[in-house]
Amino acid sequence: ETGVTQTPRHLVMGMTNKKSLKCEQHLGHNAMYWYKQSAKKPLELMFVYSLEERVENNSVPSRFSPECPNSSHLFLHLHTLQPEDSALYLCASSQTSGTTYNEQFFGPGTRLTVL
Amino acid sequence: AQSVTQPDIHITVSEGASLELRCNYSYGATPYLFWYVQSPGQGLQLLLKYFSGDTLVQGIKGFEAEFKRSQSSFNLRKPSVHWSDAAEYFCAVGFMDSNYQLIWGAGTKLIIKP
Repeated sequence: ETGVTQTPRHLVMGMTNKKSLKCEQHLGHNAMYWYKQSAKKPLELMFVYSLEERVENNSVPSRFSPECPNSSHLFLHLHTLQPEDSALYLCASSQTSGTTYNEQFFGPGTRLTVL
Repeated sequence: AQSVTQPDIHITVSEGASLELRCNYSYGATPYLFWYVQSPGQGLQLLLKYFSGDTLVQGIKGFEAEFKRSQSSFNLRKPSVHWSDAAEYFCAVGFMDSNYQLIWGAGTKLIIKP
């Protein structure tokens, strides 16, 4: 595997289900991101982990729970979601340093549908 | 507040024609500027970026973009589009007070006429 991979690619869940999205990066980066992409709206940054510590949490509802067990893996745990949470969830990674802003590399996304 | 505007939701061009996609941002200092492309069913791929130096930057797939400080713009151009360029294009802006936060435009969908 190369780059950033995400599983599953598609997920349909009911409002009472619990599921998890998985992201893995094979680039040796030290930061990982979760984004939500809804139609006709800008990408929304949800969470950022740098060196396995959460550094950004953009007012995301508690029904979304991230986990970063190591620098290569990132999870997004989902429970009691709402239909408006249906979207494409993108994972990204980057190599960050104190003085340089580096590009983010994206996975293909998980298309989530909440019934 | 910082913001990024892509004024065109859709653009249709004929194959072989030139292309310009617009991006404007609102920020007091010089930001970091990016263009990404997203093909159907895929994640985002970086086309090019501007951090400093020459204001005309070259990217992959024959794309270029020009940073104009006076207009707070970073428009993407290509002299001759190919059918494979049909995709959605996103402008993103990073700011010096955050190594992680990118502000994204809503995207421009490019449609190619045969």
